[in-house]
Amino acid sequence: TQLLEQSPQFLSIQEGENLTVYCNSSSVFSSLQWYRQEPGEGPVLLVTVVTGGEVKKLKRLTFQFGDARKDRSLHITAAQPGDTGLYLCARNPQGAQKLVFGQGTRLTINP
Amino acid sequence: NAGVTQTPKFQVLKTGQSMTLQCAQDMNHEYMSWYRQDPGMGLRLIHYSVGAGITDQGEVPNGYNVSRSTTEDFPLRLLSAAPSQTSVYFCASSFGGSGNTIYFGEGSWLTVV
Repeated sequence: TQLLEQSPQFLSIQEGENLTVYCNSSSVFSSLQWYRQEPGEGPVLLVTVVTGGEVKKLKRLTFQFGDARKDRSLHITAAQPGDTGLYLCARNPQGAQKLVFGQGTRLTINP
Repeated sequence: NAGVTQTPKFQVLKTGQSMTLQCAQDMNHEYMSWYRQDPGMGLRLIHYSVGAGITDQGEVPNGYNVSRSTTEDFPLRLLSAAPSQTSVYFCASSFGGSGNTIYFGEGSWLTVV
């Protein structure tokens, strides 16, 4: 059962453009994680955001976890080729290692 | 500073063969888990362990077996490989409890023909 739906699944844009990736779910949960995965490697945790509208920034990446479905997002400003990769959202119910992942957004930034 | 180490990196099996994917971590983490990653489906949990001697099933456990005899090691066994088990497998570990970062290995690419 896919409990997290990411959109878009594929995105190819030019260097310097902005983009937003959404992570939607009909379930209620208290925190959301974002991972980045490069080819041949495992996912690496970028950030954990908690419900209630929390916003976290990591350089040009802004993560938001609002109450509305459209507010669960990752926004990248002035994308760089180094941002290319697979971005995965995940929830961690029960605090154990039982992560539930979205299907991922494959992002390509063209020079 | 090895982190989470998986072996082998690549493996080709024939249908019906058995094999073990090895996972070791050197961070003294209590929690360890196995995921599989298939195109368009993200990662799905196979089995997990909250400590030595304790294992439990995840979302897709059928056809896989695990054991946790030590804190460091968490092998994943394929009992009788099937083409549907062709996938990329990731081992992960963390300290227990919410809020702790989960670290993933580099993956094991398995093809069953």
